[in-house]
Amino acid sequence: SYELTQPPSVSVSPGQTARITCSGDALPKQYTYWYQQKPGQAPVLLIYKDTERPSGIPERFSGSSSGTTVTLTISGVQAEDEADYFCQSADSSPTPVFGGGTNLAVL
Amino acid sequence: EVQLLESGGGLGQPGGSLRLSCRASGFTFIDYAMSWVRRAPGKGLEWVSSIGSYGDNTHYADSVKGRFTISRDNSNKMVYLQMNSLRAEDTATYYCAKVVSRYCNSMTCYFDQWGQGTLVTVSS
Repeated sequence: SYELTQPPSVSVSPGQTARITCSGDALPKQYTYWYQQKPGQAPVLLIYKDTERPSGIPERFSGSSSGTTVTLTISGVQAEDEADYFCQSADSSPTPVFGGGTNLAVL
Repeated sequence: EVQLLESGGGLGQPGGSLRLSCRASGFTFIDYAMSWVRRAPGKGLEWVSSIGSYGDNTHYADSVKGRFTISRDNSNKMVYLQMNSLRAEDTATYYCAKVVSRYCNSMTCYFDQWGQGTLVTVSS
């Protein structure tokens, strides 16, 4: 198994761009997925296979990858985007692994 | 509309057992692997277990291996998690999640639909 590292928190003002990173040695060889979870709600898949967005997810959410770091970018952040965000990958076992999560605060 | 409805959570004794259930609807259940993922209070998401679409290909996190058993009933579109030898650190909200393919492998082991979760508290 391996680890995915995320910053515990990110703060941004409404309308600005938030970037949440996820780092892991195996990421160049594996896809990464992103989930949003608001308090008391189920997680929601935001990004799959590094950059793909499921239907129904707003275009302001995007994913990118560079080496051992993947980034979730939220453009034009809205108050409703305040939530916990988790990256996830899977090794060859297969064992899904989640990052520790990042709390996005919209100030 | 895909729906996943968990039940069976509650208060469990250390060393005791609980059985979680997840009823699925809105998709062809037999075509997809299913998983359980948990989130402990103040912690992040932790994958617990996965099962292939035909009930084979089961996998477990090291933290629950030998104590938890995942199973499914394709006729009734149900997934189960039998939790034995409960520990305080098993306290969490447990989510039933749909995998995007028949089997969980390194390219497809992610979750496109989630239930609302059921809370398990292990305490004496």
